[in-house]
Amino acid sequence: IQLTQSPSSLSASVGDRVTITCRASQAIRSYLAWYQQEPGKAPKLLIYAASTLQSGVPSRFSGSGSGTDFTLTISSLQPEDFATYYCQQLNSYPTLTFGGGTKVEIK
Amino acid sequence: QVQLVESGGGVVQPGRSLRLSCAASGFTFSSYGMHWVRQAPGKGLEWVAVMSYDGSSKYYADSVKGRFTISRDNPKNTLHLQMNSLRDEDTAVYYCAKDLSYFSRDHFYGMDVWGQGTTVTVSS
Repeated sequence: IQLTQSPSSLSASVGDRVTITCRASQAIRSYLAWYQQEPGKAPKLLIYAASTLQSGVPSRFSGSGSGTDFTLTISSLQPEDFATYYCQQLNSYPTLTFGGGTKVEIK
Repeated sequence: QVQLVESGGGVVQPGRSLRLSCAASGFTFSSYGMHWVRQAPGKGLEWVAVMSYDGSSKYYADSVKGRFTISRDNPKNTLHLQMNSLRDEDTAVYYCAKDLSYFSRDHFYGMDVWGQGTTVTVSS
């Protein structure tokens, strides 16, 4: 299964609403996770099961979708949100694919 | 606190072997699935392998199948990745990560705890 993230990068300002999409080449039900990675750091889980917010993650992050089309939304971008975001499918084995990533930069 | 600490990385020649370890603490290691994920320099994340809590299920990325072996020692709270026949393209930071799945043999839900990573460089 291939995961295609779009856009691959975006520029946004603090306070903007940001949406990142992840499209699967085959249906993956709701077995999708989203991660945030800051430069030089390990990834951090934001969302699992497509829309469940991981404990401790700010509520400005939300996830939606099922089947093949998914979105990660940041309702009001904060300075600490400038990072790269990855989706990952956990439905189809043996390979639990990551998307190519979306880099969120400061405008 | 919940922690994963990887070790065993280094510089190795193509065709040689290396064994990575991941020491877990702060949670019941034997109850959770565990993954290895890697990231080549300047590239995105690549999932490598996963093992269920009891070792009965394991899966590999096509790029490492037949060369890498994931294993775990539950009494010692340790995860391993045996890497054989290493190639230049295996050069990466390798992370171990804990899955959300609790006592699940056949399904995984996402990685909620990550180590700091260990660097593997394959070069002649």
